[in-house]
Amino acid sequence: QVQLQESGPGLVKPSQTLSLTCTVSGGSISSGIYYWNWIRQPAGKGLEWIGRFYTSVNTNYNPSLKSRVTISIDTSKNQFSLKLSSVNAADTAVYYCARDERNIAGTAGVYWGQGTLVTVSS
Amino acid sequence: QSALTQPASVSGSPGQSITISCTGTSSDVGGYNYVSWYQHHPGKAPKLMIYEVSNRPSGVSNRFSGSKSGTTASLTISGLQPEDEADYYCSSYTSGSTLVFGGGTKLTVL
Repeated sequence: QVQLQESGPGLVKPSQTLSLTCTVSGGSISSGIYYWNWIRQPAGKGLEWIGRFYTSVNTNYNPSLKSRVTISIDTSKNQFSLKLSSVNAADTAVYYCARDERNIAGTAGVYWGQGTLVTVSS
Repeated sequence: QSALTQPASVSGSPGQSITISCTGTSSDVGGYNYVSWYQHHPGKAPKLMIYEVSNRPSGVSNRFSGSKSGTTASLTISGLQPEDEADYYCSSYTSGSTLVFGGGTKLTVL
């Protein structure tokens, strides 16, 4: 059974870069097979899709975040990561990582992590 | 991209059926059969309930069904049960090769 677990600092200062890692167990992380997604949810608000990695040349981002986001994978560690630069209070949210599945297309994720809260504050 | 439009809340009694709508545009819901629905209990990971408009992943109850007409997709839950009380989100693939979520609907089982 595939399991995902987010990790990273719970507190980030304004203007700094938020960095999160998603560790995958029960399956190998690899390029060009699955979509590896990041999604977030600010307190009291709905889900917001951040972006996804398929290959190094096939990575898609939410247009509203595109200038600040980078998603990448590290196959040696079986992890994928999210970097969000120049953060402000509006980036405070629970961040989820997720993976789709073969034959289940166009979804943000079949397998999801439990989420990790990141607060942006000085 | 703009969020898809969902009603803020719906409610129903146990055993009844409810439908949640998800309205988009021709650039997302209306243009692709890649609409998904997720169930989200607060504090837990979202769960995929429907993909590609009307398909259920393995293990999801057949009380959950999905459909689409034009730029509006719908999730129907029949035979409501107390454990169905949760937030429900739709999502769609878009013409920009991205995904977009709806604003979410809170389902209350009375």
